[in-house]
Amino acid sequence: SYVLTQPPSVSVAPGQTARMTCGGNKIGSKSVHWYQQKPGQAPVLVVYDDSDRPSGIPERFSGSNSGNTATLTISRVEAGDEADYYCQVWDSSSVLKVFGGGTKLTVL
Amino acid sequence: QVQLVQSGSESKKPGASVKVSCKASGYIFTSYAMNWVRQAPGQGLEWMGWINTNTGNPTYAQGFTGRFVFSLDTSVRTAYLQISSLKAEDTAVYYCARRNSGSYSIDYWGQGTLVTVSS
Repeated sequence: SYVLTQPPSVSVAPGQTARMTCGGNKIGSKSVHWYQQKPGQAPVLVVYDDSDRPSGIPERFSGSNSGNTATLTISRVEAGDEADYYCQVWDSSSVLKVFGGGTKLTVL
Repeated sequence: QVQLVQSGSESKKPGASVKVSCKASGYIFTSYAMNWVRQAPGQGLEWMGWINTNTGNPTYAQGFTGRFVFSLDTSVRTAYLQISSLKAEDTAVYYCARRNSGSYSIDYWGQGTLVTVSS
């Protein structure tokens, strides 16, 4: 089955840029979606189809996807961005959704 | 506005069954597939599968066949997850989540239902 690999943690100071990666075999050929989950809350979609933002999501959140790595970038990081972030793809070969293991973003 | 409202927390003994409901509002229920996602305590998200709300046809991910059943009652715009022969390792928060139109992403999530399995 298809595997997505995310670093367990990323730390960044307020106002700086956070980059979180999601690795997978030829992930650039798939559409990648990103979710933010704060403690005790349901996940929230922040980027879909590699780089599109749902309404209400700040422009500070952006995504890219190429080769074997997709990246979620958060510019001008705020304390409120501290959360777990999960990437997700649809694996057409197995007809299944797959989530990465998640990255905990810590705002220093 | 789109809302997915799930049933409340459940506490069950091993071997019992549980049925979690997910009531949708604010959109045409049969136009959007419904996913189910599990999150064990302190762990990540795990996709369990989805159900076609138009046909009622379910698809189960690996590890969620046999004891897990997705169903619908379209007359009350509600999706259900039933788990039988509960085990301690089924202890988790279970989310229903709507598939985004035109994408394989998930655009709306229920608030989650905690199922605790303990003797």
